[in-house]
Amino acid sequence: QQKVQQSPESLTVSEGAMASLNCTFSDGTSNNFRWYRQHSAKGLEVLVSIFSDGEKEEGRFTAHLNRANLHVSLHIREPQPSDSAVYLCAIDTNAYKVIFGKGTHLHVLP
Amino acid sequence: GALVYQYPRRTICKSGTSMRMECQAVGFQATSVAWYRQSPQKTFELIALSTVNSAIKYEQNFTQEKFPISHPNLSFSSMTVLNAYLEDRGLYLCGARGGPEVFFGKGTRLTVV
Repeated sequence: QQKVQQSPESLTVSEGAMASLNCTFSDGTSNNFRWYRQHSAKGLEVLVSIFSDGEKEEGRFTAHLNRANLHVSLHIREPQPSDSAVYLCAIDTNAYKVIFGKGTHLHVLP
Repeated sequence: GALVYQYPRRTICKSGTSMRMECQAVGFQATSVAWYRQSPQKTFELIALSTVNSAIKYEQNFTQEKFPISHPNLSFSSMTVLNAYLEDRGLYLCGARGGPEVFFGKGTRLTVV
């Protein structure tokens, strides 16, 4: 069973400073890796979906995947207070299951 | 575009009663539908995965007797929470897939009183 670990559990950054979130997984053969954002226990907003090793940028959000190291990261450029939310790493497995990490609580201070 | 609608968005039920929630795929054919639950202060746990032409597979700690699921066609799925108790409260999310991408609804928030 795929395991997904996120770090840190909580992160506080100042407005405009880069925010970096990490995710490690146990099986590198999964199909796809995604980062979602969840505001106040509401629904999910997909930020970046990445399949190949390397970087993928979507606006201010950049994901970096390294399957060999079982690691995917998310970097948020120029974060705003409105970016304060829970960020979830999700692994889309070969068995059509999506496995979620426990999330990183990001707080962006004005 | 591909969208997934869930309803109701919020619901309250009395302890010991049952509650049915629905998931509608629009703009694509949902060949598989997964149901997840996010309990307070927790992440999303997979309840079960329903794939067309296959039996519905429930994850450990979740059973068909407690969470019966129907997936009658490629655009609709429903799940019932039978005999709901306090530990069943949370956000129930439907994820529908018609190809490599999975699309999530906004969830049904269940409160048990």
